[in-house]
Amino acid sequence: EDQVTQSPEALRLQEGESSSLNCSYTVSGLRGLFWYRQDPGKGPEFLFTLYSAGEEKEKERLKATLTKKESFLHITAPKPEDSATYLCAVQARGGTSYGKLTFGQGTILTVHP
Amino acid sequence: DVKVTQSSRYLVKRTGEKVFLECVQDMDHENMFWYRQDPGLGLRLIYFSYDVKMKEKGDIPEGYSVSREKKERFSLILESASTNQTSMYLCASSRSVDRATYEQYFGPGTRLTVT
Repeated sequence: EDQVTQSPEALRLQEGESSSLNCSYTVSGLRGLFWYRQDPGKGPEFLFTLYSAGEEKEKERLKATLTKKESFLHITAPKPEDSATYLCAVQARGGTSYGKLTFGQGTILTVHP
Repeated sequence: DVKVTQSSRYLVKRTGEKVFLECVQDMDHENMFWYRQDPGLGLRLIYFSYDVKMKEKGDIPEGYSVSREKKERFSLILESASTNQTSMYLCASSRSVDRATYEQYFGPGTRLTVT
């Protein structure tokens, strides 16, 4: 069974204080790992897709990296508007799991001014 | 930009009512999904569809059914609503190319309360 574990559950940062969120996964053949941002009361917003170990993607203050067992979302010099829940999800190759994502519980990030 | 819309942002229904939640996407995506999201349980897949009239059960299909008569529209049906179906319901869509699937794009969600 595919599993995704995110840590920490919650993270409080001061504005400008860089940090990382972790996503550990077990999957029977990784097709892709996805990062989403979710604001309260809204649907998740797509951020990145990573397909293979060693891959990195960047967007503004966010950088996602991937190894064979985990992914990190690095936040550099965060601002209060980066406060949100960050979700990680994996997609397995083929079979009956075709098209399906398995999500982690998310990390609630709060950035204080 | 991909746009996924859901018929209602907030909905209040009574126990035993039949409830329809509708989702429309405008990007000609092959795949569509219905999730529910609850505190402490995260996002859980109810049903998904990879083509018109095709559907597959997700992790928690009990008490739900779906309909996909047109490519852009995917409906979630609660045949007889119960209080334990009070939740945030999220629809998503994604494209497929040669059996490779891509990121899912989500709608704004429907907060359903069953009393």
